[in-house]
Amino acid sequence: GAGVSQTPSNKVTEKGKYVELRCDPISGHTALYWYRQSLGQGPEFLIYFQGTGAADDSGLPNDRFFAVRPEGSVSTLKIQRTERGDSAVYLCASSDRGAEQFFGPGTRLTVL
Amino acid sequence: AQSVAQPEDQVNVAEGNPLTVKCTYSVSGNPYLFWYVQYPNRGLQFLLKYITGDNLVKGSYGFEAEFNKSQTSFHLKKPSALVSDSALYFCAVRDCCMNYGGSQGNLIFGKGTKLSVKP
Repeated sequence: GAGVSQTPSNKVTEKGKYVELRCDPISGHTALYWYRQSLGQGPEFLIYFQGTGAADDSGLPNDRFFAVRPEGSVSTLKIQRTERGDSAVYLCASSDRGAEQFFGPGTRLTVL
Repeated sequence: AQSVAQPEDQVNVAEGNPLTVKCTYSVSGNPYLFWYVQYPNRGLQFLLKYITGDNLVKGSYGFEAEFNKSQTSFHLKKPSALVSDSALYFCAVRDCCMNYGGSQGNLIFGKGTKLSVKP
């Protein structure tokens, strides 16, 4: 079946601009996660949704970052006033009852 | 606080030889442990997990891992390495009973170990 998909695969933007990154989880998966991976590092947790609600947003670095999942399926990560330090690969994952998470290919964000 | 350590940045193995990629963890409760593999320009692929039960768990592509509670380790192993196993490997942990408990929740990842298998 279809795995987790993310769009766009690459996004180049200028400092100060607003960006939206989209995640389409595996159909029927109730949990959705966003992580950020910088070069040479492991993924770092940002936010976790259970259904439509954010169950844990403790990983969001500041109030420029926001995510929604209005219908309990697709999720959008929104970054306002982007900074060069936001450049990274943004990963989305989903899971059902099992503990393992299934990851998408990621969106590579470059802030110039 | 939860943490994961992968002490080796890189592991080099000859094809056909056994391989081990090391991982140690720290959690306050009982751990859920995972291994993922990442190929260039691709997302992370799940290999195996330890939740409870037998300390030796078997996963995809002939990989296995042994949970050792006394040493707080979860090393990844394979009896005979293939060139195609060359990739970046990540260990991850979750404290089973933190916050909302249950099987779902955020993972803490190590920095990754690059495995290079030479012919």
